[in-house]
Amino acid sequence: DSGVTQTPKHLITATGQRVTLRCSPRSGDLSVYWYQQSLDQGLQFLIQYYNGEERAKGNILERFSAQQFPDLHSELNLSSLELGDSALYFCASSDRDKHFYGYTFGSGTRLTVV
Amino acid sequence: AQSVAQPEDQVNVAEGNPLTVKCTYSVSGNPYLFWYVQYPNRGLQFLLKYITGDNLVKGSYGFEAEFNKSQTSFHLKKPSALVSDSALYFCAVRENSASKIIFGSGTRLSIRP
Repeated sequence: DSGVTQTPKHLITATGQRVTLRCSPRSGDLSVYWYQQSLDQGLQFLIQYYNGEERAKGNILERFSAQQFPDLHSELNLSSLELGDSALYFCASSDRDKHFYGYTFGSGTRLTVV
Repeated sequence: AQSVAQPEDQVNVAEGNPLTVKCTYSVSGNPYLFWYVQYPNRGLQFLLKYITGDNLVKGSYGFEAEFNKSQTSFHLKKPSALVSDSALYFCAVRENSASKIIFGSGTRLSIRP
């Protein structure tokens, strides 16, 4: 157990629907990062939050949004889902804003859009 | 912009032989370099990092990596491969001033008995 908790582990939904993925960072970590892993595009950075504030944005679609709450857990919201959104979504956390020590990853949420 | 490349999609090695997984990077300043491993249906696990100092970095499970500034490389190595090393390996890089880590496309390491 890495200490980063992601729920749910698996999610199957239909096109056009909206889902919310949840991440609880490792105790004491203030930064949360979201990544999308698909077969054809590898591991793509989506967005980073630090202590509730957005810090960096990557290739995140407008249909996707995220937030980090006061208790530091984070949610990734995916809406108007398309077949191509099917992927593994990882959350990672780090104990310093500048993450000199790398990230700790959760086990991911596998999203299947049918 | 920072980038990282893993030129091999797959590396096949016999158990007991040395292994190398290649990684090259591009950053504008001094790089922060990482290797992660991903086992099936699991998240990425941190193996090792290079921030500064000795160019040979030792990490988990007997892995090590050599930082070569002139060749902008950070190859992952292990003197004697185990079947249990079979997994997907990611090289990653971060610039000093950036706030995110960029991952390579991954290399699947397959160790045959």
